[in-house]
Formats: sequence, C-alpha cells, structure tokens
Amino acid sequence: EAGVAQSPRYKIIEKRQSVAFWCNPISGHATLYWYQQILGQGPKLLIQFQNNGVVDDSQLPKDRFSAERLKGVDSTLKIQPAKLEDSAVYLCASSYRLAGNYNEQFFGPGTRLTVL
Amino acid sequence: RKEVEQDPGPFNVPEGATVAFNCTYSNSASQSFFWYRQDCRKEPKLLMSVYSSGNEDGRFTAQLNRASQYISLLIRDSKLSDSATYLCVVNEGFQKLVFGTGTRLLVSP
Repeated sequence: EAGVAQSPRYKIIEKRQSVAFWCNPISGHATLYWYQQILGQGPKLLIQFQNNGVVDDSQLPKDRFSAERLKGVDSTLKIQPAKLEDSAVYLCASSYRLAGNYNEQFFGPGTRLTVL
Repeated sequence: RKEVEQDPGPFNVPEGATVAFNCTYSNSASQSFFWYRQDCRKEPKLLMSVYSSGNEDGRFTAQLNRASQYISLLIRDSKLSDSATYLCVVNEGFQKLVFGTGTRLLVSP
C-alpha cells in the first residue's frame, strides 16, 4: 500500500516570498492533517480536514497560511508571505476517518522549508 | 505550562540497558495516549498505544496514570536500532493529537 506522498521534499526561499506544499494521502483516508515541526520540537497541528471540510484550523496563522482540499483527496498548504520563523518541516498525515476510536495517523516524509 | 511535557534528553545508554521515559499532560479530558518514534530526519511513526491497564509489546512497556496525568515508556534490553526520538502524544478528541517535544535516546555499543 502506498504511503502519504508529499512534494517537494526540500524548499529554500527568501523571506516575503510565497511557497506551496502538496500532499496526497493514503487512498481511502478521509481525514488529512498538516503539521509544522520546528527543529527540536514535536509536530504541531496546523489544520485538519475531514473529506473537503475543515475540522480544526485553530492553530493555523491565517494571515499568512492557507490550505485547501477541494476534492477531498489531495491537499495544498500555502504560505504567503513567508517569515524566517516559518523554517520547519511541514508534515502531512492521513487517517481512515474522524469518528469512533482513534485511527492511526500515517505521516508523509515531510517538506523541509528553509526561509532565508 | 506546556500541554505535553517530556524531558528532551538525550539519554545515553549502553546496549542491553533498561531505560524509562516519562511524560505529563495538562488536559484531563484527553481521550487516548500514544508513543510515537521518530528517527533522525524521518517522519513520526506510531510505536504503541498506552492504556491504564498498561500494555507491553516485546521489549516495550507503556503505562498510563490518569489520576496523575502521567505516561511512561520502558524499553528493556536496548538495541542500537532503538536510537531515536520518542514522542509522547495525547489525543484531545476528534483525532486532534498534541505532541511533546520528544525524548532523544542514544544507544551505544
């Protein structure tokens, strides 16, 4: 079974530029998550989708970050404009569904963003 | 106060040693608990779930104390391949996971 796919794997940009990350979840997984992991910290949830609807975006800095999952499959996370403190690994994860007992979240390899 | 607190380490242990990691969480309404493992420059992967009754998976034993809001992980007979960062994770409901900063383990020959 194919895992969660993410691209690009690495991205270097200058501050105030824009950047977009792409994620393709495991086939059949209804729930998709974007996390930010700053060096030396654990992942922090930015946004959670159930199909194409947003479940939780309380920790997404909405003045500069946006995310969409228009057809309930692939998702894109955008940062515009980027700041130095956005340097981090952006992890996408998916799980089978939202309801019921915990469903394991499977993570993609991440996109490592460096903002200069 | 952080939602999930862990000692960042590193814990340096020789092969064959027993090592224990602890974690505390602040949200008493948290629903389920896990340990994830993260290798250097890799994604986190689920190691095991944690139950009040305790659970064991080979050399790994996890324990939850809801009254004290405390979670532990015990690794017996450490292997070189156990070297990684161990993330304490709390599910606050609706699959919202809150991660600790992780505890780094280094197992040496």
